[in-house]
Amino acid sequence: GESVGLHLPTLSVQEGDNSIINCAYSNSASDYFIWYKQESGKGPQFIIDIRSNMDKRQGQRVTVLLNKTVKHLSLQIAATQPGDSAVYFCAEILTGTASKLTFGTGTRLQVTL
Amino acid sequence: EAQVTQNPRYLITVTGKKLTVTCSQNMNHEYMSWYRQDPGLGLRQIYYSMNVEVTDKGDVPEGYKVSRKEKRNFPLILESPSPNQTSLYFCASSPYGDRPAYEQYFGPGTRLTVT
Repeated sequence: GESVGLHLPTLSVQEGDNSIINCAYSNSASDYFIWYKQESGKGPQFIIDIRSNMDKRQGQRVTVLLNKTVKHLSLQIAATQPGDSAVYFCAEILTGTASKLTFGTGTRLQVTL
Repeated sequence: EAQVTQNPRYLITVTGKKLTVTCSQNMNHEYMSWYRQDPGLGLRQIYYSMNVEVTDKGDVPEGYKVSRKEKRNFPLILESPSPNQTSLYFCASSPYGDRPAYEQYFGPGTRLTVT
């Protein structure tokens, strides 16, 4: 939804450059993290996940980095394309709560030509 | 095509007029959930259902009802909508009844405006 993005931090990146989207989480008891992509008018879509016993995980053009010391998560998108323009959310799952996702507020990525 | 569908996609209504937003999934998933999305707040869970006839409250259940009479359907009911329920609503489902948070599929969303 368009109005959801009005209050979001925005990252503007030129096509072909790499993007880095950051997320801070507050609960040290979280043991699993997921990045979602939400395009305008659509629901969130799974991108990549990472367990708390890992520091890095790579997918196709995406890499997630986890720094548990400072409770920070980042999503790196290589060679950003116009189709990557969307709102990106991190979500966490607390240890022992396999039914509950807690979402961050999101970052809007704008890809300029 | 495997998907979660929601109807209607857009709805404008008045305070106090009961409404139902339907959600259906064709993936035989055990778990279904409703979220609302508001500016600056991310997605917050309203209700969820681990299986047929089993429902439970999420973080923001006040003013909402749900039912799970069939595996594929999970309607969201607003008995007396108020303007603070103006929001974007998402239904989601998961194949994992024991760890649904790990893999969820979201519907396209329903934008509700209550005047």
